[in-house]
Formats: sequence, C-alpha cells, structure tokens
Amino acid sequence: ETGVTQTPRHLVMGMTNKKSLKCEQHLGHNAMYWYKQSAKKPLELMFVYNFKEQTENNSVPSRFSPECPNSSHLFLHLHTLQPEDSALYLCASSQTGTSGGYNEQFFGPGTRLTVL
Amino acid sequence: GQNIDQPTEMTATEGAIVQINCTYQTSGFNGLFWYQQHAGEAPTFLSYNVLDGLEEKGRFSSFLSRSKGYSYLLLKELQMKDSASYLCAVTDSNYQLIWGAGTKLIIKP
Repeated sequence: ETGVTQTPRHLVMGMTNKKSLKCEQHLGHNAMYWYKQSAKKPLELMFVYNFKEQTENNSVPSRFSPECPNSSHLFLHLHTLQPEDSALYLCASSQTGTSGGYNEQFFGPGTRLTVL
Repeated sequence: GQNIDQPTEMTATEGAIVQINCTYQTSGFNGLFWYQQHAGEAPTFLSYNVLDGLEEKGRFSSFLSRSKGYSYLLLKELQMKDSASYLCAVTDSNYQLIWGAGTKLIIKP
C-alpha cells in the first residue's frame, strides 16, 4: 500500500461512453498527477495539480478532462475515447518543496482501461 | 529534445548480480530516480541520486555520473521476486520528471 488509491482497477468502455477515474491520496501531499502508461513506452505525464491548481497539461486531447476538488482527490473524466486510449492510467502524489522542486512520487495501482 | 535510454529487457540468474544502465539527455538536472514496477502494480520508489557517486540500500545500489549523463542500478543476490520492470526518471531544470520506458528484468532459477 502506497497511500494512493485508485478506482476502478479495471474499466471497459465503448467509444460513446462517459466514465470517470478516481484517485485519492492519504499522505497529506500537495501535488497530484495523472500518467498514461502504454506497453513498452515511457510514462506519459498528462496533468499536474499543485495545491489544487492545474500547473501542467501536456497537450492532452480534450476527451480527457481532469478535476481536482481538493488536495486529496483527483478525477479524470473520460468521454468519446478512442481505442488507442486503451492503457494503464496511473495517479501519483508528492510533496513539493519550497524551492519548487518535486520530491518522490507515490503511485496508485492504476486503472487498466480498455476502449472498444 | 529530452531523452532517457535504458535497455528494454534483461535476463539474470537467481543469486547473481545485474546492472541496469540508464543514460539521459535533459535540459538541466535536478536528480535521478529509480522505481520498481511489478506487473499489474504501481511503480514504487527505489532510490534517488542528485550527487555523483554510489548510494547503497541493502541489496540495491544506484550510481550517478552527472558529467556523463549516466546512472546504473545494481541488484545483488537476485531473488525471483526481483523480476519486475525498473524505471529510470530524471528531474529536469523545470522540476519535471522525464521517464525512461523501463527495463524488464527476468530472473531465472
């Protein structure tokens, strides 16, 4: 247990569905992240929230919509996805330093998403 | 562009030693991480290097040479449970983590 939980663990959806992924961290961290992990590819950073404010959006298609209602919860809303969006979606959290540096990230177990 | 290179896959024998290399080209450097990820599980933190040299932590050690843009993770007395992917990641000048694709380590009896 890393202190970061994600639900659901597995999700199968059609291209016209709308679903949401949920992440919760119990570590008191002030930064949260969404990553996409595809087979044999580097982790792709999608979104970063620092103190509930989105600080990075790495050219992610608008069919992915993040939401961070507080520093402990992070959502990823999904709609009209494509089959190539099938991947493992990982949430992580960390405590950012006063210098702006990012410390060790703690990951959740991920949601295995399959888009049909 | 920014790039992290590590071997795709390595095989080693139980009880042996294996070294997983990582080379990087990034805009600035503010530290290098190694993570372990078992199949179907979350990546978990193994080590962090920001200064040159060797950091030892039990059976695992991590080395960094900033001038060469190079790091390695050394695993000793390999156990079957060490079969996993090992991810190298570098923090650049903007404190963004740049990830490698990971090295899948297969341990054979």
